[in-house]
Amino acid sequence: GAGVSQSPSNKVTEKGKDVELRCDPISGHTALYWYRQRLGQGLEFLIYFQGNSAPDKSGLPSDRFSAERTGESVSTLTIQRTQQEDSAVYLCASSVRDSSYEQYFGPGTRLTVT
Amino acid sequence: DAKTTQPPSMDCAEGRAANLPCNHSTISGNEYVYWYRQIHSQGPQYIIHGLKNNETNEMASLIITEDRKSSTLILPHATLRDTAVYYCIVRVSTGNQFYFGTGTSLTVIP
Repeated sequence: GAGVSQSPSNKVTEKGKDVELRCDPISGHTALYWYRQRLGQGLEFLIYFQGNSAPDKSGLPSDRFSAERTGESVSTLTIQRTQQEDSAVYLCASSVRDSSYEQYFGPGTRLTVT
Repeated sequence: DAKTTQPPSMDCAEGRAANLPCNHSTISGNEYVYWYRQIHSQGPQYIIHGLKNNETNEMASLIITEDRKSSTLILPHATLRDTAVYYCIVRVSTGNQFYFGTGTSLTVIP
């Protein structure tokens, strides 16, 4: 079946512009995660959605970052007024129920802020 | 959440067992140990997880010490396709966050 998909695969934007990144989780997966991975570093947790519960936003680095998810479907991560330090690969993952289950990762969106 | 410590890099000869260590000395009783790997330019892939007992699946074995302060991921017969960064993660059973750290870069040598 289809895995987690993300779009765009690459995004180059100018400093100060807003960007929106999209994640399509595996159908039926109620949990969805966003991570950031800077070059040569591990993954940083950003946000977690579980069904209709309030999201865990504790990993968002600043108020320029926000994310939405409608039900158990698509999620968008929005970064406002992008800065050069936002350059990274943004990874989305989903799992069948909650974070005790295996996470399936998408290929990521490579964001470059010039 | 407990943190993990892994060597930054390791080499392994093709066909031999790769033993990847992880220290998690501050782990608490309800924290699971997870292993993921990330092949270059791809998203991470789940390998295995455990709480107290040793675990084995088609990909690997996970050996957890009795005091649970360290664990070892074993790839029994490493292939070139196993070259990747391997992350050892501990996760609270009721928590949502996974702390991936910087992992161990495993290079399988022909």
